[in-house]
Amino acid sequence: DVKVTQSSRYLVKRTGEKVFLECVQDMDHENMFWYRQDPGLGLRLIYFSYDVKMKEKGDIPEGYSVSREKKERFSLILESASTNQTSMYLCASSALTGAGSQGYTFGSGTRLTVV
Amino acid sequence: AQSVTQPDIHITVSEGASLELRCNYSYGATPYLFWYVQSPGQGLQLLLKYFSGDTLVQGIKGFEAEFKRSQSSFNLRKPSVHWSDAAEYFCAVGRTGTASKLTFGTGTRLQVTL
Repeated sequence: DVKVTQSSRYLVKRTGEKVFLECVQDMDHENMFWYRQDPGLGLRLIYFSYDVKMKEKGDIPEGYSVSREKKERFSLILESASTNQTSMYLCASSALTGAGSQGYTFGSGTRLTVV
Repeated sequence: AQSVTQPDIHITVSEGASLELRCNYSYGATPYLFWYVQSPGQGLQLLLKYFSGDTLVQGIKGFEAEFKRSQSSFNLRKPSVHWSDAAEYFCAVGRTGTASKLTFGTGTRLQVTL
């Protein structure tokens, strides 16, 4: 069964810490995405990547960065965590030209709490 | 730019009753449309998708959806709801192209009463 795996289900971090959220997919997908999910706001795109070392900003990139050194791994980095970054973070992947017709495969999510 | 509206934030139905969740989209061409379901604390799972052909599509778990171009809608239906269907449901629209992105609605939370 194909999978998108997020390394942590729950994380608690302190304000100002540098936080790494890891996502790995085993489907050889070109596209990978990071979303955050908040009640009443749905899913908001933070960053996405369509190739190794390539990245593009989504709708809410401020306070985040990403890294994609290998095709299967896409990392989200909170440079200096703040309480307003407390949220559920979802990683997803899709084939290069298939996102429009095949949709995404999602990971199980990481619930991050910044205290 | 594409957009998706799910007008119902929260819906409650009795077990065994029928269900319809509404989704309206805005997109200049024929869209690719999706419904996802999210159980509490989980990621999103694809229920069904439409990208061409028959406008009535069948999905997993007994769900179906109908694409109506004239109404810009893609409503999700189920004839008889089970308690295990309680979850949050997201409609999404996509398009072709490199690194094409899906745009999601804000979701509808379904509660099922016994």
